[in-house]
Amino acid sequence: SAVISQKPSRDICQRGTSLTIQCQVDSQVTMMFWYRQQPGQSLTLIATANQGSEATYESGFVIDKFPISRPNLTFSTLTVSNMSPEDSSIYLCSVRRGGSGAHNEQFFGPGTRLTVL
Amino acid sequence: QKEVEQNSGPLSVPEGAIASLNCTYSDRGSQSFFWYRQYSGKSPELIMFIYSNGDKEDGRFTAQLNKASQYVSLLIRDSQPSDSATYLCAVNNGNNRLAFGKGNQVVVIP
Repeated sequence: SAVISQKPSRDICQRGTSLTIQCQVDSQVTMMFWYRQQPGQSLTLIATANQGSEATYESGFVIDKFPISRPNLTFSTLTVSNMSPEDSSIYLCSVRRGGSGAHNEQFFGPGTRLTVL
Repeated sequence: QKEVEQNSGPLSVPEGAIASLNCTYSDRGSQSFFWYRQYSGKSPELIMFIYSNGDKEDGRFTAQLNKASQYVSLLIRDSQPSDSATYLCAVNNGNNRLAFGKGNQVVVIP
């Protein structure tokens, strides 16, 4: 599977500020995704990061709050804008395994632990 | 009804025993199913996936799928303390979306 890295690994931010999280993959991948895992909860898909076009957001998530970039097939960023304490969460990027026979197996980066004060 | 449900509470099993985890899903059109293991403070790690009815075995892990009853299960044989983790069930609902259950915590007691 691909090697996925995320920066930063953790951050503590003030209310009202924004944080950009980077996701880097060591090989080209067709599909990248951004998830959120709130304390004690499971994973919730925020959006699919599309290369060369606007991200596809899930219900409850909007571009103004979570702008996403995908400039190429190995890199994506997620920005958490105008943060509030409710945004405190772990943010994870994932990539979909490609090739014939793939069934949407997804592999996760190490995550970014965000705390908003 | 939630898309993916894992209703069991924390599961404690003695070392060497079988741990059994269940997951039900609501979308009858779901095509593929995944089990992830997540250690505390770490990201989820894919351990099994299955897309055909029946059983799929990989080492000490067996995934079982019953599409008619809309459930998928995971068996961990010869449980080891290193298996202590939260296990997340995920379902592919199409368009490459994965919907996750809340997870089941497994504690293997030496």
